[in-house]
Amino acid sequence: GQQVMQIPQYQHVQEGEDFTTYCNSSTTLSNIQWYKQRPGGHPVFLIQLVKSGEVKKQKRLTFQFGEAKKNSSLHITATQTTDVGTYFCAGDPQGAQKLVFGQGTRLTINP
Amino acid sequence: NAGVTQTPKFRILKIGQSMTLQCTQDMNHNYMYWYRQDPGMGLKLIYYSVGAGITDKGEVPNGYNVSRSTTEDFPLRLELAAPSQTSVYFCASSFLDRAQPQHFGDGTRLSIL
Repeated sequence: GQQVMQIPQYQHVQEGEDFTTYCNSSTTLSNIQWYKQRPGGHPVFLIQLVKSGEVKKQKRLTFQFGEAKKNSSLHITATQTTDVGTYFCAGDPQGAQKLVFGQGTRLTINP
Repeated sequence: NAGVTQTPKFRILKIGQSMTLQCTQDMNHNYMYWYRQDPGMGLKLIYYSVGAGITDKGEVPNGYNVSRSTTEDFPLRLELAAPSQTSVYFCASSFLDRAQPQHFGDGTRLSIL
C-alpha cells in the first residue's frame, strides 16, 4: 500500500545542536504536511508544501519538498528545549485525496 | 472558537464494557477522523467521515463503530472493550477534502483493565 516512511525514529541532541528528520514516499505526493506533537499533547499542524523543490521557513525550522515530490525534510537549527516532541510528516499520494502519516520522529533534548 | 473538542479526557474501562467517545467540532468541517495512537507509536486511522450520514473504515476499524448524524458530531463507540484497545484516541477534522490539514482534539486516554 501507499506508505510514508520517516527517519530517524528517535533523535537525541544536546541543546543548541541542529536536528533533521526525513520523510520518504514510494509514490509522488500532491502535498506534504508537517505536524508537531508535544509530549502528552495532540498533533498540531505546522506547515504544508505543495510545489516541487519548495522551501519554507518558520523561525528556526526549515521545511523542504523534494524535486520529485517523493521526499521532504524538516530541519531545526540550534534546538531549544521547547522543540521537544514528535514530528510527523503526512503526505497525499497523488490522486488518492487522503493523508498518509509517517511514523514520526521523536526528538529529545539534553539541556 | 473551540475547534475540536473530545470528551472524556481520561477513562478506565473493564474488559467487556462499552463506551462512547465524543467528538464535536465548531469549524463547519465536512471531514472528520478517528485515530488511535499506541504508546510511542504513530497514528492509525480507525474511521473517517466525509459528511453527515457518510462514514467509512480506515486501517483498524475492528472493534469500533461510528455514526455521523450531524456535521458537528462524530462519536466513536467501543462495544466490547478489550485490553488491545488501550490507547490514546484522537478525533480530527479537515475542510474541503481528506488531503487538507487536519485539526486535532486533545485526545481521550483510555485504559482497559
